[in-house]
Amino acid sequence: GAGVSQSPSNKVTEKGKDVELRCDPISGHTALYWYRQRLGQGLEFLIYFQGNSAPDKSGLPSDRFSAERTGESVSTLTIQRTQQEDSAVYLCASSISQGGQPQHFGDGTRLSIL
Amino acid sequence: DQQVKQNSPSLSVQEGRISILNCDYTNSMFDYFLWYKKYPAEGPTFLISISSIKDKNEDGRFTVFLNKSAKHLSLHIVPSQPGDSAVYFCAASGTSNYQLIWGAGTKLIIKP
Repeated sequence: GAGVSQSPSNKVTEKGKDVELRCDPISGHTALYWYRQRLGQGLEFLIYFQGNSAPDKSGLPSDRFSAERTGESVSTLTIQRTQQEDSAVYLCASSISQGGQPQHFGDGTRLSIL
Repeated sequence: DQQVKQNSPSLSVQEGRISILNCDYTNSMFDYFLWYKKYPAEGPTFLISISSIKDKNEDGRFTVFLNKSAKHLSLHIVPSQPGDSAVYFCAASGTSNYQLIWGAGTKLIIKP
């Protein structure tokens, strides 16, 4: 489809393992965002890409979290040495330009850390 | 410090009636506001937005009202339909700032 695509849709892993989450934005959207949503809470900003650069990484919770984007397209969010508090839905969004609204969201990856 | 607050975790409305969802914000630098709708296991879907230069924006059954002096906005859905049952999120940003600040959401239940 033409929307934002995220994979996997669900991920269950053991504490201490590394996980990689993928996002395919809408074609032509230069801005890409990662958010985290914990149960019963609003979305929490993690990181923003303009093209392949990340001008703002301020929302990343710790140095275990990293993200990259290549070809001004696909982005991956990597969490190393996962902890139980990392359990959440990780949402990716894209918008047509920097500061452009609205942001269009994928269906998220539900991450469960055992 | 929550900059965007949705104080009602849930709201139940009879089908055909008006649904009013409320949102308050604290940051006077916010100048653009959005409402998103979210079904379980899906990402948020954009509904309607409003710039701070306006006090009302209407799109079909959905109208957003902005009261800047009160730092309050509301989403009106008229008439409410069963498919409107979802969690509604209010989000805010400055036009110079890409980052959206989100409320915690209000679960709307439309009763048949």
